[in-house]
Amino acid sequence: AQSVTQLDSHVSVSEGTPVLLRCNYSSSYSPSLFWYVQHPNKGLQLLLKYTSAATLVKGINGFEAEFKKSETSFHLTKPSAHMSDAAEYFCVVSLSYNTDKLIFGTGTRLQVFP
Amino acid sequence: GAVVSQHPSWVICKSGTSVKIECRSLDFQATTMFWYRQFPKQSLMLMATSNEGSKATYEQGVEKDKFLINHASLTLSTLTVTSAHPEDSSFYICSARDRIEGQPQHFGDGTRLSIL
Repeated sequence: AQSVTQLDSHVSVSEGTPVLLRCNYSSSYSPSLFWYVQHPNKGLQLLLKYTSAATLVKGINGFEAEFKKSETSFHLTKPSAHMSDAAEYFCVVSLSYNTDKLIFGTGTRLQVFP
Repeated sequence: GAVVSQHPSWVICKSGTSVKIECRSLDFQATTMFWYRQFPKQSLMLMATSNEGSKATYEQGVEKDKFLINHASLTLSTLTVTSAHPEDSSFYICSARDRIEGQPQHFGDGTRLSIL
């Protein structure tokens, strides 16, 4: 069975400061892990994905995430937040060989203050 | 690359009417497309998986006669909400996956459906 837990429902940061969005997963098999971002009244945009290659994954817009098997974590980070980063972020897990069944986290709302 | 277009983005209609939502993969062939429903401030709930040329597979609790899905080509899937009622009001999002196994799903921009 697979599951994913986003530890924070809301995160607030000041513009220019680092962002950390936490995600822990559980998977009986080799997982694929994704981070998606959703702006208001929009669909989900893929930020980055982990598929058993490099454990440090670089994505779009300066985001990156590190797969840590020993901690079953896949936290999303960005060195310096921009106002445009304010959105809902979803951590998602699937089987590495079958991305048809996505297990979504409950989402983290990121607020960025000027 | 990997663009998914969803249309319309907003629909407001009277109770009892049927509404069709289109989902197109613009620059890749999608043998499999997915339909999700999202309630306010919640995550996405998978409604059904549609495969090109075959019947859709519905998740438990989703009425297949209420939510008709057609996937007639490798780039187009449609969701028809039949005889819509206010409780069907929601945000519907489609996604598509490239035919290559293990590729991520790419999402459309969603359709906000409001039934009066």
